[in-house]
Amino acid sequence: DQQVKQNSPSLSVQEGRISILNCDYTNSMFDYFLWYKKYPAEGPTFLISISSIKDKNEDGRFTVFLNKSAKHLSLHIVPSQPGDSAVYFCAASATNAGNMLTFGGGTRLMVKP
Amino acid sequence: GAVVSQHPSWVICKSGTSVKIECRSLDFQATTMFWYRQFPKQSLMLMATSNEGSKATYEQGVEKDKFLINHASLTLSTLTVTSAHPEDSSFYICSAKESGLGSNEQFFGPGTRLTVL
Repeated sequence: DQQVKQNSPSLSVQEGRISILNCDYTNSMFDYFLWYKKYPAEGPTFLISISSIKDKNEDGRFTVFLNKSAKHLSLHIVPSQPGDSAVYFCAASATNAGNMLTFGGGTRLMVKP
Repeated sequence: GAVVSQHPSWVICKSGTSVKIECRSLDFQATTMFWYRQFPKQSLMLMATSNEGSKATYEQGVEKDKFLINHASLTLSTLTVTSAHPEDSSFYICSAKESGLGSNEQFFGPGTRLTVL
């Protein structure tokens, strides 16, 4: 049973436009959410995170939105750049479960020049 | 920033041999380290949680006798794949959680590509 799902395996966006990556979760105990960017044959790189006490966190071109009632979070990248092309993973953790990360399946973002 | 290294970055071995992968936190102490495995075009799957000075906690379906984990210091965890077989070929990634209260973030290593012939 996948507790964290990214239903879009891929997304193609034109340079300069907004990229929206979505993530859904089922475990109501999750209280911390993270987005990672990953290139092939490399480890994930942390992008941005959000605690369940917030509904929005912004860092430069990256904004994460959290809708707890819908158990949904999204990552907005604006403006999108070709260098943003990578696989993006959302991850969730629960404080009472040792903060282990549960990853979604990933979404491959392609930003076209 | 927090840096985690892995060694080797890639390894090719014959079936039946054992392979050791090291994970080091370079500029911070990590009470807890995690080992993940990623098969092509799939997500990262947690294999085990490595705790300094104690036994690792393995996820369901991961053989503890096959994937030996040792977390002997606050900056080093090792994963040994014993009697490796071709189906063990994968991308192994470790992460480290900085010691201290309220730290949710995990810092990932660059990964190790294991190919078993």
